[in-house]
Amino acid sequence: ELKVEQNPLFLSMQEGKNYTIYCNYSTTSDRLYWYRQDPGKSLESLFVLLSNGAVKQEGRLMASLDTKARLSTLHITAAVHDLSATYFCASPDYGGSQGNLIFGKGTKLSVKP
Amino acid sequence: DSGVTQTPKHLITATGQRVTLRCSPRSGDLSVYWYQQSLDQGLQFLIQYYNGEERAKGNILERFSAQQFPDLHSELNLSSLELGDSALYFCASSVVWRDSPLHFGNGTRLTVT
Repeated sequence: ELKVEQNPLFLSMQEGKNYTIYCNYSTTSDRLYWYRQDPGKSLESLFVLLSNGAVKQEGRLMASLDTKARLSTLHITAAVHDLSATYFCASPDYGGSQGNLIFGKGTKLSVKP
Repeated sequence: DSGVTQTPKHLITATGQRVTLRCSPRSGDLSVYWYQQSLDQGLQFLIQYYNGEERAKGNILERFSAQQFPDLHSELNLSSLELGDSALYFCASSVVWRDSPLHFGNGTRLTVT
């Protein structure tokens, strides 16, 4: 059974600081997805990482994928308040769920001035 | 706006009752997914349909059922409701049945009293 673990689950940052969110998954996969969710809102796709070594950047967020280590990271550079949200990683489960996305528990990010 | 439409936005009902949640996928998307989001369980995959056929099942209770109609909209039926069924139910859609990003609707918040 695929397990997707994120850490930390809660992150309080000061504006201007850097930090990394980690996502580990337990079974082999060559792709990983990152989503953002604002309170009470839907999930918004941030990044789709489709191969080992993939790196994608959008503004102050950069995501990477190491399929050999089964690890993805989401790096936040010079955080601003607008980045406050919950961030989820998700990996496809090619076993029992036919490739459906299994989500981590999410990292709730709070950026304080 | 993801293009995925879910109705209703909010639903309040009593234990033992039955409700139906509706989802219209993005134009052109053939696959529909249902997820349940609760504070203790996180985001749980329930079921997936592709072009009218059930493709995969996740952690869906026997009291719950779903279907996808010829026009590709989907309905999730929840019966014999319990307090623990209170959650945010998301529908998502994608073009193909696996390995493609999911586009989430705004969710239906179900409260069982």
